[in-house]
Parts: sequence; structure tokens; C-alpha cells
Amino acid sequence: DVKVTQSSRYLVKRTGEKVFLECVQDMDHENMFWYRQDPGLGLRLIYFSYDVKMKEKGDIPEGYSVSREKKERFSLILESASTNQTSMYLCASSLLAREQFFGPGTRLTVL
Amino acid sequence: GENVEQHPSTLSVQEGDSAVIKCTYSDSASNYFPWYKQELGKRPQLIIDIRSNVGEKKDQRIAVTLNKTAKHFSLHITETQPEDSAVYFCAASGQAGTALIFGKGTTLSVSS
Repeated sequence: DVKVTQSSRYLVKRTGEKVFLECVQDMDHENMFWYRQDPGLGLRLIYFSYDVKMKEKGDIPEGYSVSREKKERFSLILESASTNQTSMYLCASSLLAREQFFGPGTRLTVL
Repeated sequence: GENVEQHPSTLSVQEGDSAVIKCTYSDSASNYFPWYKQELGKRPQLIIDIRSNVGEKKDQRIAVTLNKTAKHFSLHITETQPEDSAVYFCAASGQAGTALIFGKGTTLSVSS
């Protein structure tokens, strides 16, 4: 059974803080993804990675960075959190040519 | 880059009726089209997907059709039940396992 976990379900941060969102998968998946979900906008791709130490920008990478030092872990970093980054953040992972499995999400509020 | 449009944004049906959700995509290089269901407070879960070498796929009450020439694909749910109530997302990518571009979602409400 595929398991994708995220470090926090709910997070509250202040404007300007550096924020780390962690995602871990236990199925040896090569591919990992970060999306943000906002009402009426669906899921939007922030960054993805097809291998360790590899990263690619998605549709909305501005204000974010990522780190993938180990195959099972993919971190999303908000360098200086802003209120417009208040959102639900979803991590996903997959094998090549197979479906994506999502984590439970982290609801981030930036005050 | 790829752009996926999804309609309608909300859909209300009576139990037992059929529901159809439609998506169009822009990139002719897209070959993989999954549909995800997200119940309130839960993570999105794959319910069905289709690859470009297939025109239709069915799984019990759920079917997906794909028209590559017109660049559109649709989700069909027959004999709807209250537990089908959820948000449904279509998506597209070059192949399964790679980065997905999602539509904005359809909120389906099935009333008994």
C-alpha cells in the first residue's frame, strides 16, 4: 500500500518567515511533485522532481524552492512567506508510467 | 505549455441519473488523461485514466472517452449515488507518472 506522508496537516506562520513543508513516500518512487490547491483554481503544479537532486519548475514556482537530497523525501521551501501563499499544499509521488498518489495535504496559513 | 479547461464547475443531479464532466486540453503531445475524485477533507484519488491509444475505457459505473482529434475527454458516471458527491478533477500529461496539469474541478452533488 503506497504511503505518502506530509509533515504537518495544519501550519500557521508569519509573513516573512522561512517555511519548510516535508513530504516522504515509502514506495521507492522516482517522481515527486508539489501542488497547491485553491478554491476555484484546482491543483496547480509548483515544482517536480524525477530523480534525486533533480528539480523542474512547474506552472507557479515563484516564491518557492525545493530540495530532494534523498529519493524518498521532497521538501518545499517558502523562502519568505507571504499572505498570498496561504493555501492547501499537496505532495504526490509516482513511478514512471504509473499513477500519482497524493499525500493528505498541509493547510498553510500565513498571517 | 499545457492548459486544461473543465466544465461544468458545479453539477447537481438526482440519485440514479447520469453525470457528464467534460475537459479540453491544448497540447497535442499529451497522451495520458487521469480523473481524480476528492471527497471533502480528503486527498485526491485516481478513479480512472485513459491513454491516447484508447478511445474509451469503462470501470463499472464510470467511463471515460477521449477524442484526440478534438482534444477533449469526458467522464461519465451512470446510476449516480449520494457517495459519488465530491469534487472531480481531470488532468493531462505527456505520459503516466509525469507532471500533471489539472482542470479547475467540478463539484458534483447527488441528491437522494
